[in-house]
Amino acid sequence: DAGITQSPRYKITETGRQVTLMCHQTWSHSYMFWYRQDLGHGLRLIYYSAAADITDKGEVPDGYVVSRSKTENFPLTLESATRSQTSVYFCATQRGGPGTEAFFGQGTRLTVV
Amino acid sequence: GQQLNQSPQSMFIQEGEDVSMNCTSSSIFNTWLWYKQDPGEGPVLLIALYKAGELTSNGRLTAQFGITRKDSFLNISASIPSDVGIYFCAGLPLRSQGNLIFGKGTKLSVKP
Repeated sequence: DAGITQSPRYKITETGRQVTLMCHQTWSHSYMFWYRQDLGHGLRLIYYSAAADITDKGEVPDGYVVSRSKTENFPLTLESATRSQTSVYFCATQRGGPGTEAFFGQGTRLTVV
Repeated sequence: GQQLNQSPQSMFIQEGEDVSMNCTSSSIFNTWLWYKQDPGEGPVLLIALYKAGELTSNGRLTAQFGITRKDSFLNISASIPSDVGIYFCAGLPLRSQGNLIFGKGTKLSVKP
């Protein structure tokens, strides 16, 4: 199916473990984003990528690593998970340049115990 | 950083009523977008606005890009139970690196 796919949908991990959240898109949109959604904070940008091999920090990048070797994939890695990283994570793409419509994946609910 | 003030935070309305929510900022925005998020899902784009004063409809939904470019509103007419969800505004500030800024959302509950 065309669109944006996140995996896994749900993940429970232990404090200190490394975990990678996957994001795949079939549109070939240049821009891709990772957000986290927490109660009372709305959507906060973690990292974004303007194209393959180009990434930049968002509002809350600490504790996260991203890579983008191919246009269609934008994985997000928590190098050493902490309880404060328990959240719902959304990947998004933007069709045109900055400020154009963003399209979101279904989200990954991550629990760090 | 720049912020969007979205209000109200939550609404409890009766089926059939009209709904109005808005987003304001102290800065000028080039773009306003409105999203709806159903429980357990990602936000889905409802309406996109790119010009000051622009008024756009999508079925029972109407959104406007404020003339001052510092605000936008979303109206839902004749609400139905499936309108339940969280509505987010998002905007692109005039002088920005290109990333959207999101409001904190309006949670809508509809009583049948």
